[in-house]
Amino acid sequence: NAGVTQTPKFRVLKTGQSMTLLCAQDMNHEYMYWYRQDPGMGLRLIHYSVGEGTTAKGEVPDGYNVSRLKKQNFLLGLESAAPSQTSVYFCASSTSGGPLETQYFGPGTRLLVL
Amino acid sequence: AQTVTQSQPEMSVQEAETVTLSCTYDTSESDYYLFWYKQPPSRQMILVIRQEAYKQQNATENRFSVNFQKAAKSFSLKISDSQLGDAAMYFCAYSRGDKIIFGKGTRLHILP
Repeated sequence: NAGVTQTPKFRVLKTGQSMTLLCAQDMNHEYMYWYRQDPGMGLRLIHYSVGEGTTAKGEVPDGYNVSRLKKQNFLLGLESAAPSQTSVYFCASSTSGGPLETQYFGPGTRLLVL
Repeated sequence: AQTVTQSQPEMSVQEAETVTLSCTYDTSESDYYLFWYKQPPSRQMILVIRQEAYKQQNATENRFSVNFQKAAKSFSLKISDSQLGDAAMYFCAYSRGDKIIFGKGTRLHILP
């Protein structure tokens, strides 16, 4: 039981490049989330999903897209990376109770956009 | 809109002593959940403790306890018998519906 895993752990991009961050969970959780964490800003919700095939916008969705084609995977895409997207990205999942239930976090992905 | 405020960016405590981290929040709702998460240097977020707003009794988890003051919208975390492994960023969070809102965090240093 690996919990929540994120791929890759670290990536460097040039402005304008695209990439996809993968989050996978093996706990059969319904809810999945993508956050970004910046110094002095805490965690901010980018997008979330309440189940397979569904996605919704969070607090800071601009510049990101997501997909939840399989229940266990939640992908975060950057179509045209910008330096403002330099951050640490965390994925999390929770049961059908949503955020009222415990969120299980992945180890994070550090992204640097030059 | 709901907000979560942690007014102490950093705190220090002597090993084996007790420390209290503050958190206030703003909401017009009566039913919600509050959390404290710990983020050690490994960066992985770990749930420390959870409080349901409809419960008057303060939640406790071993050395961790909260002081939940619903009317004052205050949710502080008390760590007793502080240990070196408690050194981390601590985030307070509020949740209702499909979303969760985090505070900016308090970095806790443990002095040996």
